[in-house]
Amino acid sequence: QSVLTQPPSESGTPGQRVTISCSGNTSNIGSNPVNWYQQLPGTAPKLLIYSNNQRPSGVPDRFSGSKSGTSASLAISGLQSEDEANYYCAAWDDSLNGPVVFGGGTKLTVL
Amino acid sequence: QLQLQESGPRLVKPSETLSLTCSVSGGSISNSNLYWGWIRQPPGKGLEWIASVYRTGTTYYNPSPKSRATISVDTSKNQFSLKLGSVTAADTAVYYCARHEMVRQFGYIWFDLWGQGTLVTVSS
Repeated sequence: QSVLTQPPSESGTPGQRVTISCSGNTSNIGSNPVNWYQQLPGTAPKLLIYSNNQRPSGVPDRFSGSKSGTSASLAISGLQSEDEANYYCAAWDDSLNGPVVFGGGTKLTVL
Repeated sequence: QLQLQESGPRLVKPSETLSLTCSVSGGSISNSNLYWGWIRQPPGKGLEWIASVYRTGTTYYNPSPKSRATISVDTSKNQFSLKLGSVTAADTAVYYCARHEMVRQFGYIWFDLWGQGTLVTVSS
């Protein structure tokens, strides 16, 4: 049971815009920035979004992040086949679970 | 270009100690103001942060496996290590080492560089 809650799966067609949600509470998302990781099959996770909506160098601007209250979202526009991966949200947790907790992950399928 | 590489036994017997080392190349742990951590991923499951260490030796642990985990840094060898005692089958996972930013005041913690990961299986 992950501290942050994500839908197990999402899907979309090429060119479509999809969003992945991440729900937490006041001790994590509600009071700290959210980060997102992309894990392609058989590879290590890669930082995709940090501090709610910042993209590391090299991450396409098709990926964007947002946060409101105790929930966050990752949006992918212009969906491409290579976006098929698992996506994880993460945040600092001020409770005993800290400092960092992850969501259970969302498997994105490009139809 | 900084790179991280995990090493250690791939098979560990139940009740024994899992030991992993992360070697850092292309840069020095001593010159970095970032942190170094271990994250694991059981087969088919999500990510779990285990522990982190700063170049000074200051450590941070996940309360869950905390009592069994020990993280340390050796700046002379430019590497950091994880030991996890009294392992069970539930500790079977891919173990990743990673570099991360951490500023408690602002709740900043993100892992920007990862090793490729190593699968450790706990079995007799």
